[in-house]
Amino acid sequence: ILNVEQSPQSLHVQEGDSTNFTCSFPSSNFYALHWYRWETAKSPEALFVMTLNGDEKKKGRISATLNTKEGYSYLYIKGSQPEDSATYLCAPRSNDYKLSFGAGTTVTVRA
Amino acid sequence: GAVVSQHPSWVICKSGTSVKIECRSLDFQATTMFWYRQFPKQSLMLMATSNEGSKATYEQGVEKDKFLINHASLTLSTLTVTSAHPEDSSFYICSARPGTSGRSSYEQYFGPGTRLTVT
Repeated sequence: ILNVEQSPQSLHVQEGDSTNFTCSFPSSNFYALHWYRWETAKSPEALFVMTLNGDEKKKGRISATLNTKEGYSYLYIKGSQPEDSATYLCAPRSNDYKLSFGAGTTVTVRA
Repeated sequence: GAVVSQHPSWVICKSGTSVKIECRSLDFQATTMFWYRQFPKQSLMLMATSNEGSKATYEQGVEKDKFLINHASLTLSTLTVTSAHPEDSSFYICSARPGTSGRSSYEQYFGPGTRLTVT
């Protein structure tokens, strides 16, 4: 199980504003990085699986970048909406498909 | 997206009793299922990995005799917390990795979790 750090722990953003936050993980023996969005009382929703250094993925207003050499990933939310309020989890995956989760970044979008 | 269900969503039991939690993949076959738990203000922590028809493998520090895992079919895994104690109170959540059902085997799909309270 890997040591994963996410920052900030929480953030508040005004509706319409953009925001981003970080996931840091060990750069050695990297296989893949998963991002999930987790709303209260629901299942974590898979957002992205990223594998290549320099990878950039996009889903609607949410995008993510990956730097495997230095061990970090950024997740961006453009033009935040109230429905973006959730906890965003990142998890590097090892070669045996095990995920190591960070504590998450909780985003609250204020209308 | 792929759907994973968990039952029950919450359970309260008395100390010393056993509780079974079910995890089902509803629209795909799962090669592997994973069980996690989350204590308040902490990360999801992997407890064990189960493959259909095989014995589960447990992470360090997780008692295999206390947390019994059965993965009898490609769509169902169960976690039984035996002789539960208040310190076992936690949020338990499963995930499933697709096999060859047309979905990416690199993904893991999560259930909604089970809140266990032991009194």
